[in-house]
Amino acid sequence: KAGVTQTPRYLIKTRGQQVTLSCSPISGHRSVSWYQQTPGQGLQFLFEYFSETQRNKGNFPGRFSGRQFSNSRSEMNVSTLELGDSALYLCASSAGTPQDTQYFGPGTRLTVL
Amino acid sequence: QKEVEQDPGPLSVPEGAIVSLNCTYSNSAFQYFMWYRQYSRKGPELLMYTYSSGNKEDGRFTAQVDKSSKYISLFIRDSQPSDSATYLCAFQRMDSNYQLIWGAGTKLIIKP
Repeated sequence: KAGVTQTPRYLIKTRGQQVTLSCSPISGHRSVSWYQQTPGQGLQFLFEYFSETQRNKGNFPGRFSGRQFSNSRSEMNVSTLELGDSALYLCASSAGTPQDTQYFGPGTRLTVL
Repeated sequence: QKEVEQDPGPLSVPEGAIVSLNCTYSNSAFQYFMWYRQYSRKGPELLMYTYSSGNKEDGRFTAQVDKSSKYISLFIRDSQPSDSATYLCAFQRMDSNYQLIWGAGTKLIIKP
C-alpha cells in the first residue's frame, strides 16, 4: 500500500506571498491532519479534516487554512507569508477514529525569505 | 507550564547501551500514550502506544507509563546505530478531540 505523499518536498517563498501544499493520504483513509514542525516549538497541530469537513483546529492564525476533497486528498494554504512560517509541514492520515494510528508523510520544507 | 516536557538532548550513547527516554505531562485527561521515531528528512513513525499504566514490550523496545506521576519512558535495549533518530512522545485525550499533543523530541545518537 502506498504511503502518504506530500508535494512539493521543498519550497522557497518570500514574505507576503502565499503558498499551497498538497497531501495525498493512504488509500482508504478519510482523516488528514496537518502539523507544523520547527526546532523551537516542535510539532504543533494545525487542523484535521475528515470527509471534507474540518473536524479539529489548532491555535494558528486565520492565514493558515485547509480543505479536503472528495478523494480525501488535502491542501493547506498559507497566505501573507511571514519569516516565522519557515518550517517543516507534515500531514498525517488515518482511518479517522481516535485510536487509529496516524501515518505521516515526509513533509514539505518551506523556507520564507 | 507546558503540557508536555521532553529533554531535546542530544543524547549520545555507545552501541549496545540501554537507552532511557522520558517525558512528563501535566494534563490528567491524557489517556493514550505514544512514542514516535523520526529519522532525518522523514516524517514521524509510530513506534509504540499504550493506554494503561505499566510496561509494554516490543522486541528491544519497552514503553513504560506511570499515570500517578504523569511520567512516561521509552527504553531501548542493545542500542544500534540504526536507532539514531529523534524520538517524540505524544499524548491524546479520550474525548471527541483527536488532536495529538507532542513533546519537543529527543535527538538520540548511537556511536558505533
